[in-house]
Amino acid sequence: EPEVTQTPSHQVTQMGQEVILRCVPISNHLYFYWYRQILGQKVEFLVSFYNNEISEKSEIFDDQFSVERPDGSNFTLKIRSTKLEDSAMYFCVPRTGGSYNEQFFGPGTRLTVL
Amino acid sequence: QKEVEQNSGPLSVPEGAIASLNCTYSDRGSQSFFWYRQYSGKSPELIMSIYSNGDKEDGRFTAQLNKASQYVSLLIRDSQPSDSATYLCAASGTYKYIFGTGTRLKVLA
Repeated sequence: EPEVTQTPSHQVTQMGQEVILRCVPISNHLYFYWYRQILGQKVEFLVSFYNNEISEKSEIFDDQFSVERPDGSNFTLKIRSTKLEDSAMYFCVPRTGGSYNEQFFGPGTRLTVL
Repeated sequence: QKEVEQNSGPLSVPEGAIASLNCTYSDRGSQSFFWYRQYSGKSPELIMSIYSNGDKEDGRFTAQLNKASQYVSLLIRDSQPSDSATYLCAASGTYKYIFGTGTRLKVLA
Protein backbone atom coordinates (compact mmCIF):
# COMPACT_ATOMS: atom_id res chain seq x y z
CA GLU A 1 0.00 0.00 0.00
CA PRO A 2 1.28 3.50 -0.79
CA GLU A 3 2.42 5.35 2.27
CA VAL A 4 1.60 8.79 0.92
CA THR A 5 -1.24 10.61 -0.71
CA GLN A 6 -0.57 13.13 -3.44
CA THR A 7 -2.66 16.10 -4.47
CA PRO A 8 -3.91 17.08 -6.88
CA SER A 9 -4.23 13.89 -8.88
CA HIS A 10 -4.22 15.95 -12.08
CA GLN A 11 -3.06 19.54 -12.54
CA VAL A 12 -3.50 21.45 -15.76
CA THR A 13 -1.65 24.73 -16.06
CA GLN A 14 -0.56 27.28 -18.58
CA MET A 15 3.08 27.57 -19.56
CA GLY A 16 4.91 30.02 -17.32
CA GLN A 17 2.61 29.49 -14.34
CA GLU A 18 3.75 28.21 -10.97
CA VAL A 19 2.49 24.88 -9.69
CA ILE A 20 2.73 23.27 -6.29
CA LEU A 21 2.41 19.51 -5.97
CA ARG A 22 1.68 18.13 -2.52
CA CYS A 23 2.63 14.93 -0.79
CA VAL A 24 1.13 13.91 2.54
CA PRO A 25 2.74 11.01 4.35
CA ILE A 26 0.51 8.49 6.06
CA SER A 27 3.24 7.62 8.52
CA ASN A 28 5.83 9.90 10.06
CA HIS A 29 8.38 9.84 7.24
CA LEU A 30 11.18 12.37 7.19
CA TYR A 31 13.03 11.29 4.06
CA PHE A 32 11.44 11.65 0.64
CA TYR A 33 12.28 11.29 -2.98
CA TRP A 34 10.58 12.97 -5.92
CA TYR A 35 10.64 11.26 -9.28
CA ARG A 36 9.01 12.17 -12.55
CA GLN A 37 7.95 10.15 -15.57
CA ILE A 38 7.30 11.81 -18.89
CA LEU A 39 4.67 9.88 -20.83
CA GLY A 40 6.26 6.86 -22.49
CA GLN A 41 9.64 7.45 -20.90
CA LYS A 42 11.61 6.17 -17.92
CA VAL A 43 11.12 7.15 -14.31
CA GLU A 44 13.72 9.81 -13.46
CA PHE A 45 15.06 10.85 -10.09
CA LEU A 46 14.59 14.54 -9.28
CA VAL A 47 15.55 15.14 -5.68
CA SER A 48 15.85 13.58 -2.25
CA PHE A 49 14.82 15.56 0.80
CA TYR A 50 15.63 14.80 4.40
CA ASN A 51 14.81 16.73 7.50
CA ASN A 52 14.05 19.94 5.60
CA GLU A 53 17.17 19.81 3.47
CA ILE A 54 17.97 18.58 -0.02
CA SER A 55 20.22 15.52 0.18
CA GLU A 56 20.77 15.00 -3.50
CA LYS A 57 19.39 16.39 -6.72
CA SER A 58 19.61 15.50 -10.39
CA GLU A 59 20.47 17.66 -13.38
CA ILE A 60 16.74 17.95 -14.06
CA PHE A 61 16.19 19.67 -10.73
CA ASP A 62 17.25 23.16 -11.78
CA ASP A 63 16.45 26.55 -10.30
CA GLN A 64 12.84 26.29 -11.46
CA PHE A 65 12.25 23.50 -8.95
CA SER A 66 12.12 23.64 -5.18
CA VAL A 67 11.03 21.34 -2.39
CA GLU A 68 9.74 22.33 0.99
CA ARG A 69 8.13 21.03 4.11
CA PRO A 70 5.78 23.95 4.76
CA ASP A 71 4.34 22.38 7.88
CA GLY A 72 4.74 19.22 9.89
CA SER A 73 2.39 17.15 7.81
CA ASN A 74 3.16 17.58 4.13
CA PHE A 75 5.89 18.06 1.56
CA THR A 76 5.69 20.11 -1.62
CA LEU A 77 7.39 20.21 -4.97
CA LYS A 78 7.16 23.62 -6.62
CA ILE A 79 7.83 24.45 -10.24
CA ARG A 80 8.17 28.20 -10.54
CA SER A 81 7.63 28.79 -14.25
CA THR A 82 6.34 25.70 -15.98
CA LYS A 83 7.46 24.67 -19.43
CA LEU A 84 5.77 22.33 -21.87
CA GLU A 85 8.43 19.72 -21.17
CA ASP A 86 7.49 19.67 -17.49
CA SER A 87 4.36 17.74 -18.43
CA ALA A 88 4.78 14.41 -16.67
CA MET A 89 3.70 12.25 -13.76
CA TYR A 90 5.35 13.34 -10.54
CA PHE A 91 5.78 10.76 -7.80
CA CYS A 92 6.49 11.29 -4.15
CA VAL A 93 8.25 8.33 -2.55
CA PRO A 94 9.03 8.04 1.16
CA ARG A 95 12.11 6.27 2.30
CA THR A 96 10.74 3.58 4.55
CA GLY A 97 13.99 2.71 6.27
CA GLY A 98 15.63 -0.66 6.63
CA SER A 99 18.83 -1.85 5.07
CA TYR A 100 17.60 -2.24 1.52
CA ASN A 101 15.87 1.03 0.83
CA GLU A 102 12.75 -0.36 -0.75
CA GLN A 103 10.71 2.46 -2.23
CA PHE A 104 6.95 2.41 -2.60
CA PHE A 105 5.56 4.95 -5.00
CA GLY A 106 2.66 7.21 -4.22
CA PRO A 107 -0.25 7.52 -6.67
CA GLY A 108 1.38 10.46 -8.43
CA THR A 109 0.24 13.79 -9.78
CA ARG A 110 -0.24 14.17 -13.50
CA LEU A 111 0.94 17.62 -14.58
CA THR A 112 -0.19 18.90 -17.95
CA VAL A 113 1.38 22.15 -19.17
CA LEU A 114 -0.44 23.82 -22.06
CA GLN B 1 26.48 8.10 -16.85
CA LYS B 2 24.83 5.37 -14.81
CA GLU B 3 22.39 3.41 -16.94
CA VAL B 4 19.91 0.59 -16.63
CA GLU B 5 19.03 -1.05 -19.92
CA GLN B 6 15.94 -3.03 -20.79
CA ASN B 7 14.45 -4.27 -24.02
CA SER B 8 11.32 -2.20 -24.55
CA GLY B 9 9.39 -5.11 -26.06
CA PRO B 10 6.60 -5.89 -26.35
CA LEU B 11 7.28 -9.38 -25.09
CA SER B 12 4.32 -11.58 -25.93
CA VAL B 13 3.80 -14.90 -24.16
CA PRO B 14 0.81 -17.24 -24.10
CA GLU B 15 -1.18 -17.64 -20.92
CA GLY B 16 0.42 -20.18 -18.61
CA ALA B 17 3.90 -19.77 -20.05
CA ILE B 18 7.01 -18.39 -18.35
CA ALA B 19 7.81 -14.77 -19.11
CA SER B 20 11.49 -13.83 -18.88
CA LEU B 21 12.43 -10.18 -18.49
CA ASN B 22 16.01 -8.98 -18.53
CA CYS B 23 17.94 -5.94 -17.40
CA THR B 24 21.57 -4.86 -17.40
CA TYR B 25 23.16 -2.07 -15.41
CA SER B 26 26.33 -0.08 -15.86
CA ASP B 27 27.24 1.00 -12.33
CA ARG B 28 29.22 -1.69 -10.52
CA GLY B 29 28.56 0.18 -7.30
CA SER B 30 24.87 -0.72 -7.50
CA GLN B 31 23.93 -2.91 -4.58
CA SER B 32 20.16 -3.31 -4.64
CA PHE B 33 17.90 -4.14 -7.53
CA PHE B 34 14.18 -3.90 -7.90
CA TRP B 35 11.42 -4.91 -10.25
CA TYR B 36 8.29 -2.82 -10.53
CA ARG B 37 5.10 -3.49 -12.40
CA GLN B 38 3.36 -0.50 -13.95
CA TYR B 39 -0.08 -0.61 -15.47
CA SER B 40 -0.94 2.10 -17.95
CA GLY B 41 -1.71 5.37 -16.20
CA LYS B 42 -0.77 4.00 -12.77
CA SER B 43 2.21 4.39 -10.50
CA PRO B 44 4.95 1.74 -10.34
CA GLU B 45 4.23 -1.11 -7.92
CA LEU B 46 7.18 -2.88 -6.28
CA ILE B 47 7.01 -6.62 -6.86
CA MET B 48 10.53 -7.91 -6.19
CA SER B 49 13.80 -6.78 -4.66
CA ILE B 50 17.12 -8.60 -4.75
CA TYR B 51 20.49 -7.79 -3.21
CA SER B 52 22.58 -10.97 -3.39
CA ASN B 53 23.78 -13.04 -6.31
CA GLY B 54 21.50 -15.91 -7.14
CA ASP B 55 17.77 -16.43 -7.20
CA LYS B 56 14.99 -15.07 -5.04
CA GLU B 57 11.51 -16.52 -5.34
CA ASP B 58 8.20 -15.01 -4.26
CA GLY B 59 5.11 -16.80 -5.46
CA ARG B 60 5.08 -16.86 -9.25
CA PHE B 61 7.98 -14.42 -9.45
CA THR B 62 11.69 -15.24 -9.39
CA ALA B 63 14.35 -12.56 -9.52
CA GLN B 64 17.87 -13.47 -10.55
CA LEU B 65 21.00 -11.40 -9.98
CA ASN B 66 24.48 -11.83 -11.43
CA LYS B 67 26.70 -8.99 -10.27
CA ALA B 68 29.72 -10.21 -12.23
CA SER B 69 27.72 -9.90 -15.45
CA GLN B 70 25.77 -6.85 -14.17
CA TYR B 71 22.59 -8.63 -15.09
CA VAL B 72 19.20 -8.88 -13.40
CA SER B 73 16.22 -10.86 -14.58
CA LEU B 74 12.64 -11.53 -13.60
CA LEU B 75 10.81 -14.74 -14.36
CA ILE B 76 7.04 -14.89 -14.15
CA ARG B 77 5.69 -18.41 -14.05
CA ASP B 78 2.18 -19.36 -15.13
CA SER B 79 1.71 -15.97 -16.77
CA GLN B 80 -1.79 -14.56 -16.61
CA PRO B 81 -3.46 -11.89 -18.76
CA SER B 82 -3.50 -9.71 -15.64
CA ASP B 83 0.31 -9.75 -15.71
CA SER B 84 0.17 -7.68 -18.89
CA ALA B 85 1.93 -4.47 -17.93
CA THR B 86 5.24 -2.67 -18.23
CA TYR B 87 7.97 -4.05 -15.97
CA LEU B 88 10.55 -1.59 -14.73
CA CYS B 89 13.99 -2.58 -13.53
CA ALA B 90 15.74 -0.28 -11.06
CA ALA B 91 19.20 -0.24 -9.51
CA SER B 92 20.30 1.55 -6.38
CA GLY B 93 23.81 2.28 -5.19
CA THR B 94 23.27 4.83 -2.47
CA TYR B 95 19.62 5.65 -2.07
CA LYS B 96 18.20 7.03 -5.31
CA TYR B 97 17.02 4.60 -7.93
CA ILE B 98 18.12 4.50 -11.55
CA PHE B 99 15.35 3.08 -13.72
CA GLY B 100 15.32 1.36 -17.06
CA THR B 101 12.80 2.29 -19.70
CA GLY B 102 10.73 -0.81 -18.95
CA THR B 103 9.69 -3.89 -20.88
CA ARG B 104 6.10 -4.16 -22.01
CA LEU B 105 4.71 -7.64 -21.38
CA LYS B 106 1.62 -8.95 -23.15
CA VAL B 107 0.14 -12.22 -21.94
CA LEU B 108 -2.15 -13.66 -24.58
CA ALA B 109 -5.27 -15.50 -23.43
